Amino acid sequence: EIVLTQSPGTLSLSPGERATLSCWASESVSSTSLAWYQQKPGQAPRLLIYGSSTRAAGIPDRFSGSGSGTEFTLTISRLEPEDFAVYYCQRYGRSLLFGGGTKVEIK
Amino acid sequence: QVQLVQSGAEVKKPGSSVKVSCKASGGSFSSYAITWVRQAPGQGLEWVGGIIPVFGTANEAQKFQGRVTISTDDSTSTVYMELTSLSSDDTAVYFCARGGYDYIRWTYNAMDVWGQGTTVTVSS
Repeated sequence: EIVLTQSPGTLSLSPGERATLSCWASESVSSTSLAWYQQKPGQAPRLLIYGSSTRAAGIPDRFSGSGSGTEFTLTISRLEPEDFAVYYCQRYGRSLLFGGGTKVEIK
Repeated sequence: QVQLVQSGAEVKKPGSSVKVSCKASGGSFSSYAITWVRQAPGQGLEWVGGIIPVFGTANEAQKFQGRVTISTDDSTSTVYMELTSLSSDDTAVYFCARGGYDYIRWTYNAMDVWGQGTTVTVSS
């Protein structure tokens, strides 16, 4: 059974800094089947990226996704105060699978 | 713009069942898939199952097979998720979410519209 592992578990950064989040798959994942979500406390997740690199509607261009095979990356070019949250990668297909999440916290 | 509105919080006894609803307002979800995702307190996201309303076909994560039923009422644009034989491990926020569906490959796409979540507490 495929497993998605996200690293780091927690990322401590300051506003304006660049954030790089990783999602590792235990077996190859199609790049068309990888998404990233943002979740803030008490809220539902919000779709950021699908197809590994396509931003969802209304998502600022400071968010970008890349990767293929077993390694995928979400990059936030310059952190805004509203970007501090938990981020999840997801493989979608016949079933859905989430990574364990990366918390981006204010340093 | 479609919104998904879920039913209210539930408190259940161990061994009982819970049925959570998810109603589409401002649009239809008949050409989409509706999935259910849960989140235990302080934990990550876990897929429970999903349904393709236009076909009425549902599938669920292996972990929940035999314990979850996902159904749809097209007349009210509502999807239901019923979970039986509840234990304290089922205490979580349950989200419904709308996503695309690839009708050629029979695969779910990413989810772009989410309900507000329903808290289910299982306690004796």
